[in-house]
Amino acid sequence: KNEVEQSPQNLTAQEGEFITINCSYSVGISALHWLQQHPGGGIVSLFMLSSGKKKHGRLIATINIQEKHSSLHITASHPRDSAVYICAVGGSQGNLIFGKGTKLSVKP
Amino acid sequence: EPEVTQTPSHQVTQMGQEVILRCVPISNHLYFYWYRQILGQKVEFLVSFYNNEISEKSEIFDDQFSVERPDGSNFTLKIRSTKLEDSAMYFCASRGMTGGNQPQHFGDGTRLSIL
Repeated sequence: KNEVEQSPQNLTAQEGEFITINCSYSVGISALHWLQQHPGGGIVSLFMLSSGKKKHGRLIATINIQEKHSSLHITASHPRDSAVYICAVGGSQGNLIFGKGTKLSVKP
Repeated sequence: EPEVTQTPSHQVTQMGQEVILRCVPISNHLYFYWYRQILGQKVEFLVSFYNNEISEKSEIFDDQFSVERPDGSNFTLKIRSTKLEDSAMYFCASRGMTGGNQPQHFGDGTRLSIL
């Protein structure tokens, strides 16, 4: 069974700071997902990646398959980035195994 | 952009009652999922559904739970004889078929409160 660990659990940043959230998993996977959960509870998929790096706007996700590690970076953070960021890995039937999430708060 | 829609957004039910949570997945998607998130905890997988049958279920998904796709558009989760510990946010998700891994699209969730 895959275990997904995220760090840090909580993160407070000042507007404009560069932010990194880390994720590690225990069993080899075919894909890793980064998701964002809004304060109201809704979940949005940010990235799905199986190798290398992906970029979307100010968000960058990287993965190292050999080390079973992924990072989510946010450049020039903004208060509207405040949310819970969740790492999840794909199970055998495509179901997702979730980490506990990182609660990010960006102060103006 | 197509969305997964879930109804109701909040359901309050007496313990022991049956509850049905409804989801309308994205129309051309073929894989469907239910997840739950107990307050303050991580999201947990309940069940996956493909080709009109359950493809995988977690140990949480016991005989109290059932899923159905009654009419080709709705995807429902039924919880019989609800317990206090069933109180949680329930998320439906769907994904397409093309290629291997595909991102899952989530609904906004149904908050289930058992009294």
